[in-house]
Amino acid sequence: NAGVTQTPKFQVLKTGQSMTLQCAQDMNHNSMYWYRQDPGMGLRLIYYSASEGTTDKGEVPNGYNVSRLNKREFSLRLESAAPSQTSVYFCASSEWTAPYEQYFGPGTRLTVT
Amino acid sequence: QKEVEQNSGPLSVPEGAIASLNCTYSDRGSQSFFWYRQYSGKSPELIMSIYSNGDKEDGRFTAQLNKASQYVSLLIRDSQPSDSATYLCAVFGSSNTGKLIFGQGTTLQVKP
Repeated sequence: NAGVTQTPKFQVLKTGQSMTLQCAQDMNHNSMYWYRQDPGMGLRLIYYSASEGTTDKGEVPNGYNVSRLNKREFSLRLESAAPSQTSVYFCASSEWTAPYEQYFGPGTRLTVT
Repeated sequence: QKEVEQNSGPLSVPEGAIASLNCTYSDRGSQSFFWYRQYSGKSPELIMSIYSNGDKEDGRFTAQLNKASQYVSLLIRDSQPSDSATYLCAVFGSSNTGKLIFGQGTTLQVKP
């Protein structure tokens, strides 16, 4: 089992460009999450999906949109990238019930110039 | 007050020593507690979960939970240079939103 996979691993965008980060999990988890991690800021939740067909905002949703395509896949879209969105993005998945253990993908390093 | 607090460190210990990492949380109704290890440039990796008061041991790792004091810790015995990483404390709160709250992480340096 691959666990949680993310594509791409690295991306450089110019300000104003758009892109979609892809995430897939093969653990049959109901819930999926998108985080960003910045130095000194820790992990911050952008959006999450408790189950297929639902999405909710996290702590820092502005500038992002998400799509829960099916139970396996959860994508994050930047419509008009800004330098402030330069970060490392992690996708994670878990069950929606106990024990709530989240498992992370390898991350996408995004630079917006 | 932050919901989950950790000392950012760095915590430096010699090889073979016990490393003690601490975490406090503000939500008294929190149910589940996790420790993640994150190597530089890598993603967080779940290493310990604890749900009830007391100690839970897994190899060289021991997680300790004290709900009355709202305190969770991670002990690493016989620390190795390969344990050098950032350790993130995460708490599942009482709000039942399915979201984990992460601390900022403690950087551990194990010196040979």
